Amino acid sequence: DAGVIQSPRHEVTEMGQEVTLRCKPISGHNSLFWYRQTMMRGLELLIYFNNNVPIDDSGMPEDRFSAKMPNASFSTLKIQPSEPRDSAVYFCASTTWTEAFFGQGTRLTVV
Amino acid sequence: AQRVTQPEKLLSVFKGAPVELKCNYSYSGSPELFWYVQYSRQRLQLLLRHISRESIKGFTADLNKGETSFHLKKPFAQEEDSAMYYCALSYNQGGKLIFGQGTELSVKP
Repeated sequence: DAGVIQSPRHEVTEMGQEVTLRCKPISGHNSLFWYRQTMMRGLELLIYFNNNVPIDDSGMPEDRFSAKMPNASFSTLKIQPSEPRDSAVYFCASTTWTEAFFGQGTRLTVV
Repeated sequence: AQRVTQPEKLLSVFKGAPVELKCNYSYSGSPELFWYVQYSRQRLQLLLRHISRESIKGFTADLNKGETSFHLKKPFAQEEDSAMYYCALSYNQGGKLIFGQGTELSVKP
């Protein structure tokens, strides 16, 4: 297994544009998490899914952020419209009952 | 609310010195505590979990429920230990997993 796969690895976009981040979890894992990493706040949990169902989205900062998991092998995190303060590294992780496996992250820069 | 606090953003030690990365948590129930590590240009990966009571790469961590702490320790730091370390808490098996702000460990020769 190639592990958790995120795309794109880097994204540079202009303020106001829509951004879609993608994640393919490890097959068989039943939970999927989206995190945002910044110097100031470290790793913030945005949302997590269990068996493709959103369980807790209390970390989603604003209505501009939305996440979906249409099936067990794919999830998206969308920001519309994007703002400069959204610039960060976004991580996806999928878990067994005992361990979370992380993707390489998407470095988002909004100019 | 559940919270994980790592008070040090940066910890710098010399090779061979003992190291302790602090982690405190707030949760009224029985949490599961973890340490994750991110080496330069690599993914976050699990270092150790409290229920396993294991030592990985010379690191240990003991859960102290009285002090609500889960500090990470190593008696003799090595240069290859330089990395970002995150303490994490989960309170439902396979459920919500939250992280502290992270501590960057720098081990100098």
